[in-house]
Amino acid sequence: EIVLTQSPTTMAASPGEKITITCSASSSISSNYLHWYQQKPGFSPKLLIYRTSNLASGVPARFSGSGSGTSYSLTIGTMEAEDVATYYCQQGSSIPPTFGAGTKLELK
Amino acid sequence: DVQLQESGPGLVKPSQSLSLTCSVTGYSITSGYYWNWIRQFPGNKLEWMGYISYDGSNNYNPSLKNRISITRDTSKNQFFLKLNSVTTEDTATYYCARADSHEGFAYWGQGTLVTVSA
Repeated sequence: EIVLTQSPTTMAASPGEKITITCSASSSISSNYLHWYQQKPGFSPKLLIYRTSNLASGVPARFSGSGSGTSYSLTIGTMEAEDVATYYCQQGSSIPPTFGAGTKLELK
Repeated sequence: DVQLQESGPGLVKPSQSLSLTCSVTGYSITSGYYWNWIRQFPGNKLEWMGYISYDGSNNYNPSLKNRISITRDTSKNQFFLKLNSVTTEDTATYYCARADSHEGFAYWGQGTLVTVSA
């Protein structure tokens, strides 16, 4: 199975700060099959970005995604308090679909 | 709007079977997409368990292949998870979710915590 390694595991950011989370795959995957989720405490994961760079419905434009091959990233252009959450990458390129271990984003 | 809701026992004894139901509203499970079970362990690791597709075919995580079964009742627009021979390591929050491989898991249920304990 494809292993996704996220970095960092935990980070703290100030309001207005730019944030980048990376996701490294153990094998090359098509950018059509890399997705990102946001999970707030007590809630289900929510699809944030699909196919590497497409914002899901209702997602603010400060979120963006990029990448190819084995290296992908999620960027928050300007951190807001409501962005405090855990973020997961996920690949659907091969069975079984797998998730990264998550990046917990806290407010500084 | 598409909504999914899990239901089932919150406590299961070791060696018994875990059975959950996902009730879907707003979309027919025979019209398209893949209907999945995903679980989240304490500590937050997410594991895909398997799916039943709109045409009734299945695919399971190889790590669970001998213990898992996903079926459906199209008349009730529900699909089901059965996991046999559970141990304490199956304690997790179980989610049902709709997926397209190109669009990820776009719709999730609220999740149901299942504890395996004597």
